[in-house]
Amino acid sequence: DTEVTQTPKHLVMGMTNKKSLKCEQHMGHRAMYWYKQKAKKPPELMFVYSYEKLSINESVPSRFSPECPNSSLLNLHLHALQPEDSALYLCASSQEGGNRVGGNTIYFGEGSWLTVV
Amino acid sequence: DQQVKQNSPSLSVQEGRISILNCDYTNSMFDYFLWYKKYPAEGPTFLISISSIKDKNEDGRFTVFLNKSAKHLSLHIVPSQPGDSAVYFCAASSYSGNTPLVFGKGTRLSVIA
Repeated sequence: DTEVTQTPKHLVMGMTNKKSLKCEQHMGHRAMYWYKQKAKKPPELMFVYSYEKLSINESVPSRFSPECPNSSLLNLHLHALQPEDSALYLCASSQEGGNRVGGNTIYFGEGSWLTVV
Repeated sequence: DQQVKQNSPSLSVQEGRISILNCDYTNSMFDYFLWYKKYPAEGPTFLISISSIKDKNEDGRFTVFLNKSAKHLSLHIVPSQPGDSAVYFCAASSYSGNTPLVFGKGTRLSVIA
């Protein structure tokens, strides 16, 4: 079973709203990821959590705030977003973390479609 | 600098024929390669992988070939089916690295019935 579940599937929010995207995996994976994907583009890495600690932040604006409450859960808190932040937000996980993140298969969730109005 | 390149943005193939999707990489540290398939409005689905100690890996209708000297890999789908129509992303990483996958820009495959 390689399931990563994300909620909500669709989210519409105003530029002054605060919302959160949620992600869960029960595969015992040690690394979890947030990616952003725009139409006709590859997934773009935002954050990596390894053993529940933030290990990579790809210079993401502070209006995106990740949180890893435990080894199975990953949240992305959204505040004061811009219309250009509208995209598909993908959560993913992989077996290994730390300095063994490379060489891992990453399994993606179905994504959360975010529209900022 | 694009480390993983998929130079064909799109490919059309007739049902039943072979689909060949190509990918080139520039970073000689890469030693693990994957293909993902993505339907619209869904997350990418892992399809098949290959490590640099092999030159071929097969899974059903899908075969990935790796040519290390040319820094080139390809995905063969035989026979192609209409349900294979999707965007295919090539990705690469290094076993010894602590950075995750680097993705190509994708190739849109259309299988025509």
